[in-house]
Formats: sequence, C-alpha cells, structure tokens
Amino acid sequence: ETGVTQSPTHLIKTRGQQVTLRCSSQSGHNTVSWYQQALGQGPQFIFQYYREEENGRGNFPPRFSGLQFPNYSSELNVNALELDDSALYLCASSRVGYEQFFGPGTRLTVL
Amino acid sequence: DAKTTQPTSMDCAEGRAANLPCNHSTISGNEYVYWYRQIHSQGPQYIIHGLKNNETNEMASLIITEDRKSSTLILPHATLRDTAVYYCIVRVERGGSNYKLTFGKGTLLTVNP
Repeated sequence: ETGVTQSPTHLIKTRGQQVTLRCSSQSGHNTVSWYQQALGQGPQFIFQYYREEENGRGNFPPRFSGLQFPNYSSELNVNALELDDSALYLCASSRVGYEQFFGPGTRLTVL
Repeated sequence: DAKTTQPTSMDCAEGRAANLPCNHSTISGNEYVYWYRQIHSQGPQYIIHGLKNNETNEMASLIITEDRKSSTLILPHATLRDTAVYYCIVRVERGGSNYKLTFGKGTLLTVNP
C-alpha cells in the first residue's frame, strides 16, 4: 500500500511569485487536507477537499487555493507569495471524517 | 473542537514506559481523543484514538479517565526513535462534516539512552 506522497520536497521562491504543491493520496482515501506548519509551531489547517470540492477552510486568505482531481490527488496553489508563507506544507489523506495520514511535507522558502 | 493542554516537554529513559498526559476538560460527549506524533521535520504520524474506552494498538495504549476530562498516551518500551513532538487532539468523528485537526504545541518527548 502506497502512503501519501508530496512533491517537490523543497523549493525556493521569491516574494510575489506563485507556487503549486502536489499531493497523492493513500490508496482508498477520498479526502485531502492541507496544513501549514511554521517553524516551532503545530500544523495549521488550510483547507480540505472531498469529491473535488472544498469541504472546509481555515483562516487563510483567498490567495491560498486548491484542487482535487478525480483520482483524489490534490494541488495547493499560493499566489503573491509573502515572506511569512515560508513553512512546511503538509498534505494528509483520509476517508472523509476519519483519521488523517500525513505525507512528508514540502519545505517552501520565500526570499 | 475542545481545547487540550499538554506539558511542553518530558524526558524518558530508553526501555522504560513513557506516559504522556493530556488535559481536555471541556471535551464534549461526541468528541474523540486523537494522538499524533511528529519526528523532526517529518509529517505527523497517526498513533491512536479513542472515545471513552481504553485503546491499544501496536504502537501505544490510550487511557481515558472515566469523566473523559484527561487522557494518557503510553509508549510501553520507549526507544530513541520515539523522540518526537506528541500532539493530543480532540475532535468529532463523523463522516462528511468534520474536516480539520487542530494542533496545539504538543509535548516534546526526549528518550535518553
């Protein structure tokens, strides 16, 4: 059984640029959640996708957007990057409403 | 979701049991207690969850008090690889309408040789 995978592992962007992060769900899971983890903090919920629609959103601005595809994989897009967007971005998959299993994360650095 | 309180850090000797407490005094009747851990710079790892009965799996045991206001995660024989930040989270488990995990700062467990 393949776990949750994320790509890329690391990337560096400059302020104002746009970035797309990718996540592949664990087999049998139909829901993907995204979290942002700043250094020294616990992960903060960004949003969740279920059946290709947003199923809940945390306190993040609209420049954070996402997609879920028919194979349940997902993308997180961030526009107009700011320095404070530097963080570890985590993707978690699950059956809707049940325990979430996390990928290894993408480390984003905004310069 | 109910708020949780955990100690900032704990130490444990290798081979001994690690007992990690969590206070969730405002937990509601339909909220579950979840435990995750995060080894440095990796994604959080699901450990165990429970509602009111004690639970055990291959990783750990979860003891929930009768009034459900607190719980303890037990790692029976801690190893150096168990050094991590442990998060206690309470949430409603129901399909479709619940979506997020609310992480606090967790407990940094350091297992010493």
